[in-house]
Amino acid sequence: DAKTTQPPSMDCAEGRAANLPCNHSTISGNEYVYWYRQIHSQGPQYIIHGLKNNETNEMASLIITEDRKSSTLILPHATLRDTAVYYCSRGGKFQFGAGTQVVVTP
Amino acid sequence: DTEVTQTPKHLVMGMTNKKSLKCEQHMGHRAMYWYKQKAKKPPELMFVYSYEKLSINESVPSRFSPECPNSSLLNLHLHALQPEDSALYLCASSQVTGYNQPQHFGDGTRLSIL
Repeated sequence: DAKTTQPPSMDCAEGRAANLPCNHSTISGNEYVYWYRQIHSQGPQYIIHGLKNNETNEMASLIITEDRKSSTLILPHATLRDTAVYYCSRGGKFQFGAGTQVVVTP
Repeated sequence: DTEVTQTPKHLVMGMTNKKSLKCEQHMGHRAMYWYKQKAKKPPELMFVYSYEKLSINESVPSRFSPECPNSSLLNLHLHALQPEDSALYLCASSQVTGYNQPQHFGDGTRLSIL
């Protein structure tokens, strides 16, 4: 199965860190892990991607396990504008997981 | 602001109509994609163009006809669509195809088939 597995929903308090898990147990050695998010009525927005090492940019951090079978997207200080569906996908397969609906509450 | 522009934003058409969706990017990307997204579902890949040539067709019905007239433009021609084709159609681009290529998405065309 080339897809990824994510929890369907997650709530997060504003100002707290949001940790979003993704399982990609069948990922191959040269496939990157990608994260996108989709705010209602908009197209998906690229967040971050990585191969083996942990990655950080201005939006988020990506932690990939050593066996590469799973990863976690970390939003360090969630804001109300981070409410969105977050998709994990495997680069090269053009297939998105079912996504996690994240709701950030005040 | 999105760097991939899709027009129109909304389209309503009958099953016998012919219409086209347009996608444009000026980032110099040589890979462009069409996705279909139903409500509360992830985007599903339809077509991939690489250097203006069709490289992937995910067994899409022939009533959808893609075209890439140049490196900046991608069209999706629609003819004799069915009600189940009502969806959000997303265009995306990346520098080239490959594993290490983030995609940039437009905001989509919301299509309704009467």
